[in-house]
Amino acid sequence: GENVEQHPSTLSVQEGDSAVIKCTYSDSASNYFPWYKQELGKGPQLIIDIRSNVGEKKDQRIAVTLNKTAKHFSLHITETQPEDSAVYFCAASNRGSQGNLIFGKGTKLSVKP
Amino acid sequence: EAEVAQSPRYKITEKSQAVAFWCDPISGHATLYWYRQILGQGPELLVQFQDESVVDDSQLPKDRFSAERLKGVDSTLKIQPAELGDSAMYLCASSLLEGNSPLHFGNGTRLTVT
Repeated sequence: GENVEQHPSTLSVQEGDSAVIKCTYSDSASNYFPWYKQELGKGPQLIIDIRSNVGEKKDQRIAVTLNKTAKHFSLHITETQPEDSAVYFCAASNRGSQGNLIFGKGTKLSVKP
Repeated sequence: EAEVAQSPRYKITEKSQAVAFWCDPISGHATLYWYRQILGQGPELLVQFQDESVVDDSQLPKDRFSAERLKGVDSTLKIQPAELGDSAMYLCASSLLEGNSPLHFGNGTRLTVT
């Protein structure tokens, strides 16, 4: 079955710097890759997603890149703000957004003012 | 913005007792999911419904867990009997049936088994 590995497990950056989180997946049939942000005591919130027919997607300060050949995808956050501090999860599915999402173990991002 | 509603927010129970969680998805969302999130890890799928039918329950420990969505709207997840290892966050999510519709998660029920 699918296996998603996520690095790093913790990341500390200074406000205004960029943050990069990387994930690798094992199932070459995976075709949907969402990123979720989870704040303490809350459920995961979708922040951006990408499908296998696209190599890059951007939404304001957030961007995701996908390399299907290497089976890895990355989240890039620019101009980080303290409110970006949270746990970020990557996930992968081989049935689009309707399939079983396999999540990474999460990255705890701390943005220091 | 519409949200997935879950209750209770917190539940403490003794091992061997029965416990139940409730989820009300976003109106119109045909697909409903129950995920379990152990502290420090990502969520793992327990069961997926499309309307009232189970689509995937391969990861559901059926000896003690059951889930239903009788009218294809709200859903209940039950554990009987609860074990210490069941302590976790139980998350409900929903989505439209269309293939491009993302999952929307509720804020979960935090279960502690003592």
